[in-house]
Amino acid sequence: GAGVSQTPSNKVTEKGKYVELRCDPISGHTALYWYRQSLGQGPEFLIYFQGTGAADDSGLPNDRFFAVRPEGSVSTLKIQRTERGDSAVYLCASSLAAGTAGDTQYFGPGTRLTVL
Amino acid sequence: AQTVTQSQPEMSVQEAETVTLSCTYDTSENNYYLFWYKQPPSRQMILVIRQEAYKQQNATENRFSVNFQKAAKSFSLKISDSQLGDTAMYFCALWNNNDMRFGAGTRLTVKP
Repeated sequence: GAGVSQTPSNKVTEKGKYVELRCDPISGHTALYWYRQSLGQGPEFLIYFQGTGAADDSGLPNDRFFAVRPEGSVSTLKIQRTERGDSAVYLCASSLAAGTAGDTQYFGPGTRLTVL
Repeated sequence: AQTVTQSQPEMSVQEAETVTLSCTYDTSENNYYLFWYKQPPSRQMILVIRQEAYKQQNATENRFSVNFQKAAKSFSLKISDSQLGDTAMYFCALWNNNDMRFGAGTRLTVKP
């Protein structure tokens, strides 16, 4: 597709369960970013990939959060032992190349995660 | 640390009028980029306009323009001839060295 896509659009799970959120970046974009947006707030950075490697994962809140991008395209954000505080919209963005000064990030529609 | 502050949680404007959204930021860097993103109820963040800090000229995109005051670390967004479709959350963002920080957003409502 032409833009960044994310699946599922909504995910409801129970406390303690494991979830995976998927992001398909724009074709040809080497940089991919994950953000978390809590209600009434702006997005907060979680992790970004340059190609297959996580170039910066300093925003991941704890070791329950993990993300992969094995082939340098699709990425999966994985959350173990979910907690109610993990409820938020998880946004993915891609850009042509990280490190290029101010390269514009294009966002997907997000996945709304609700942990009951 | 980089921070972005949007001091107006909500604003409204009449259709066809002009509105200005405020944004201030703090960074110790000299080279950085500033963005305004729009987020409608569909949740998708849409780039409205961007400004390179090294450029003195204010960026303009059709009805959208910015007032970039580097010394004051201010980056306001002016929307002219407001349209109903402009109703959305607007986020100011600061980018430096792959670190993107967003403000808390301003909810803009355009009234008919």
